[in-house]
Amino acid sequence: EAQVTQNPRYLITVTGKKLTVTCSQNMNHEYMSWYRQDPGLGLRQIYYSMNVEVTDKGDVPEGYKVSRKEKRNFPLILESPSPNQTSLYFCASSPTRLADTQYFGPGTRLTVL
Amino acid sequence: QQPVQSPQAVILREGEDAVINCSSSKALYSVHWYRQKHGEAPVFLMILLKGGEQKGHDKISASFNEKKQQSSLYLTASQLSYSGTYFCGTESGYALNFGKGTSLLVTP
Repeated sequence: EAQVTQNPRYLITVTGKKLTVTCSQNMNHEYMSWYRQDPGLGLRQIYYSMNVEVTDKGDVPEGYKVSRKEKRNFPLILESPSPNQTSLYFCASSPTRLADTQYFGPGTRLTVL
Repeated sequence: QQPVQSPQAVILREGEDAVINCSSSKALYSVHWYRQKHGEAPVFLMILLKGGEQKGHDKISASFNEKKQQSSLYLTASQLSYSGTYFCGTESGYALNFGKGTSLLVTP
């Protein structure tokens, strides 16, 4: 089944404890991105990647890191999480460049205490 | 850089029509429309490319006026299943900026 998977789906952690949220797609898509969703603010793009080893900042990259070493995986790394990073995170992928359907993962709900 | 959506929320009775607007201060190459049900991931509705074309399927259609940097989503004869939050997204280089969303509730 063609899909975008994220793990974990739910995570509660403490301030400063490094964490990684994984994202994987099995559709051979070139473009992948991470979004955070907060009430009243909509979806805001954190980072995106146009292809392997090519990443760039979105609107809200502070406090996050990403890497794209393989086409299928695009992990989101929080080196030192803070409470203001408590949010719902979505990973998405699309076949080529942006003017294409974005397929979203199921989301990861992160709480930083 | 977020596009601006209006209205923020709308309540309809089943069978009524609705229009959701999306505008940007920047020149647009394309506009994306997505719907998100509560607790779920956003789901693709359609993309409109530069050229002012109008697209649609079933009773949901959209228009794109690149000169005005605006797009509108039209929901005709709304059904209960149309309830959710609608987002427009606009491209800026390789980034995709979403609006804050329009909450749509269709009641029986």
